[in-house]
Amino acid sequence: KAGVTQTPRYLIKTRGQQVTLSCSPISGHRSVSWYQQTPGQGLQFLFEYFSETQRNKGNFPGRFSGRQFSNSRSEMNVSTLELGDSALYLCASSLIPGEAYNEQFFGPGTRLTVL
Amino acid sequence: QQQVKQSPQSLIVQKGGISIINCAYENTAFDYFPWYQQFPGKGPALLIAIRPDVSEKKEGRFTISFNKSAKQFSLHIMDSQPGDSATYFCAARDDKIIFGKGTRLHILP
Repeated sequence: KAGVTQTPRYLIKTRGQQVTLSCSPISGHRSVSWYQQTPGQGLQFLFEYFSETQRNKGNFPGRFSGRQFSNSRSEMNVSTLELGDSALYLCASSLIPGEAYNEQFFGPGTRLTVL
Repeated sequence: QQQVKQSPQSLIVQKGGISIINCAYENTAFDYFPWYQQFPGKGPALLIAIRPDVSEKKEGRFTISFNKSAKQFSLHIMDSQPGDSATYFCAARDDKIIFGKGTRLHILP
């Protein structure tokens, strides 16, 4: 069974640009969550999507947005990039959200560098 | 406000020794406490998890000890091996998963 895939793996952008990251969950998984990982703040929850609806959202500005398609694939978008947005962006998928022991499987991440 | 506090930030253990990582939480609504292991260049992977109605869970060399009254839980890695060198994250879930800041573990050969 293929794991969670994220594209692209690496990305370099300049301040003010926007970026779109893609995540394909494990086949059959309907929940997709996004996290930002930085050395200083660790892993921080961005948002979660289930059945094309945003189910939960973390404490990030509105420049961070996402969506989920009918095939459960998800994209996240960051507009007006800032230097502080440089991070590893991780996507995780699970069968359904909120269930005890509902394991999340993480992808390898997209490393975004903002210059 | 950090909801899950993890310590130490880094840890060096001799091969064969016991590695211990501690976490503390405040939110009593948390209902699931997973530990993740992350190697460089990879996403985190679930290592072991526990519910708050259980005081201990063991899987191979990995054990979670859970103290509900103290709102603390810890990961013990017995007979630590160089291959265990990685970053470990504790986490807790209410309606979303909150991660600790991670412990970088290095096992000396």
